[in-house]
Amino acid sequence: SQTIHQWPATLVQPVGSPLSLECTVEGTSNPNLYWYRQAAGRGLQLLFYSVGIGQISSEVPQNLSASRPQDRQFILSSKKLLLSDSGFYLCAWRERTSGKGYEQYFGPGTRLTVT
Amino acid sequence: AQSVAQPEDQVNVAEGNPLTVKCTYSVSGNPYLFWYVQYPNRGLQFLLKYITGDNLVKGSYGFEAEFNKSQTSFHLKKPSALVSDSALYFCAALGSSASKIIFGSGTRLSIRP
Repeated sequence: SQTIHQWPATLVQPVGSPLSLECTVEGTSNPNLYWYRQAAGRGLQLLFYSVGIGQISSEVPQNLSASRPQDRQFILSSKKLLLSDSGFYLCAWRERTSGKGYEQYFGPGTRLTVT
Repeated sequence: AQSVAQPEDQVNVAEGNPLTVKCTYSVSGNPYLFWYVQYPNRGLQFLLKYITGDNLVKGSYGFEAEFNKSQTSFHLKKPSALVSDSALYFCAALGSSASKIIFGSGTRLSIRP
């Protein structure tokens, strides 16, 4: 069965510091991968998605970036964090091949607090 | 533009009563529809989906949802609510020609004992 991991689970970082959040998926190949941010326990904001290694689409211009160095690894980064970057970050995956499910599966999330 | 609307920020129901969480959608092509549940400080959990076929789909934890094409709705239902159903619920949709799932803003379900 498929499993999605995210780490760290919680993170407290000062303004201006760098950020690296990692997401890995097990038990599938060639997934679509997604990064979301959720503020104040409400709606989801899609930040980035990837349909393959090195292929990143950005949904919202900001000081965050994403990379996909391996098929099942998705990394969210920032060179300098802002207070507004605080939130709950969720990684998700979906089968790329049509007809194999369509639904997305989410990781456990990372709670980021920028101080 | 594709969109998903959850018109109620919060739904309050007494334990044992039936519950409904509303969702309407606007996507191009045939819709693929989903419901997710989120407990505090957790990721979203997949509950159920409609792809094709029977308009009433059954999912996890006794939840079901009814697809209504004419009303472009996909309401989540449960015949008898439990206190443990209290959580944040998200409706989502994917158009048949789209690559990204669109999520609604979420509805907080509160079940009182």
